[in-house]
Amino acid sequence: GQNIDQPTEMTATEGAIVQINCTYQTSGFNGLFWYQQHAGEAPTFLSYNVLDGLEEKGRFSSFLSRSKGYSYLLLKELQMKDSASYLCAAMDSNYQLIWGAGTKLIIKP
Amino acid sequence: ETGVTQTPRHLVMGMTNKKSLKCEQHLGHNAMYWYKQSAKKPLELMFVYNFKEQTENNSVPSRFSPECPNSSHLFLHLHTLQPEDSALYLCASSQVGRDYNEQFFGPGTRLTVL
Repeated sequence: GQNIDQPTEMTATEGAIVQINCTYQTSGFNGLFWYQQHAGEAPTFLSYNVLDGLEEKGRFSSFLSRSKGYSYLLLKELQMKDSASYLCAAMDSNYQLIWGAGTKLIIKP
Repeated sequence: ETGVTQTPRHLVMGMTNKKSLKCEQHLGHNAMYWYKQSAKKPLELMFVYNFKEQTENNSVPSRFSPECPNSSHLFLHLHTLQPEDSALYLCASSQVGRDYNEQFFGPGTRLTVL
């Protein structure tokens, strides 16, 4: 079957670095997405990886290893506004997104 | 603003009511989606419309009925719902055929079934 695993909740300190891991199993693979969702709001796109390696975008970076079925989202210089849920989603061979349950990130001062 | 709007934002209904959720996208996309989001669960894809044709129906109960009159509008008609249908219903759109088919989400309708 198809499955996405990511931690339910993580806590980090303002100004620090946090890494949110995601493992996936899908029927075919057409890329890995990360979305951010603040409470009561729509998910918003953060990153897309389809090739192995690290993609950097400001304070956020995303890494993919296709052979390991593994990705992570790295957030640097954490700010209070980064408190949100982070959703990992893998695109299968039918170009449909298979979603994880999300990781709730709590930032403490 | 993501270019996808949903109304109403909140809805409380009884199990015998009939209501409709509306979604509109202003991004010129050719695909639209309905998702159900329950607490601590993955997003569940309900329906997909691609060029106004329904291409996915993920074993959704018939008490949920989608309608896509054109590529910009999507409705979800609700009738005789159950309390377990209470959830956040998200609409999304994307441009199929573009690089990676990024989905843009609306703010959702928070549905409570009494």
